[in-house]
Amino acid sequence: DTEVTQTPKHLVMGMTNKKSLKCEQHMGHRAMYWYKQKAKKPPELMFVYSYEKLSINESVPSRFSPECPNSSLLNLHLHALQPEDSALYLCASSQDPLPGELFFGEGSRLTVL
Amino acid sequence: RKEVEQDPGPFNVPEGATVAFNCTYSNSASQSFFWYRQDCRKEPKLLMSVYSSGNEDGRFTAQLNRASQYISLLIRDSKLSDSATYLCVVNPTGGGNKLTFGTGTQLKVEL
Repeated sequence: DTEVTQTPKHLVMGMTNKKSLKCEQHMGHRAMYWYKQKAKKPPELMFVYSYEKLSINESVPSRFSPECPNSSLLNLHLHALQPEDSALYLCASSQDPLPGELFFGEGSRLTVL
Repeated sequence: RKEVEQDPGPFNVPEGATVAFNCTYSNSASQSFFWYRQDCRKEPKLLMSVYSSGNEDGRFTAQLNRASQYISLLIRDSKLSDSATYLCVVNPTGGGNKLTFGTGTQLKVEL
């Protein structure tokens, strides 16, 4: 069982909706990540939080808004998404400074209609 | 040239076979290397870190060749349960939080 928990597992939303993806880890990891993965493609990094501060934003459109309320929680707020944003959104954590050893959640599968 | 390149496969092998994957990386300053495994419609999971001296974990052996800038993964005595996509992952800067994923190599182990 994964130690990184993501909710919801599945989400269907219209282009005008506002929704949020949530991620939680209790391993004491200090770095948390959002990745986007399309079918048959590798995960693409979106955001990195290190010690609760945003350290990397991979030029992600502003319709995706990350939030790190505390060291265990990571949210991704979604607003005015496009159908091409449909993908698997993976949250991961790592024990800084060992970013290679990522622990992924099971992902939230998003469909934008 | 892509930062991390892998043969996408699929590699179809019979149960019990030995199979090897290579992964090349473009940044000679890369410091850390990893193999992840991803089952269909599941999340990636760390399989092995790759050290300069090479490392072995049961049926799996990973090696790093810095001179030629590639890493390899050898799977001996393949099992049906080894069927998955194997992702090569490189930390190009060393110590930072950004990893580069290869496109993955798909392995299918058959009876």
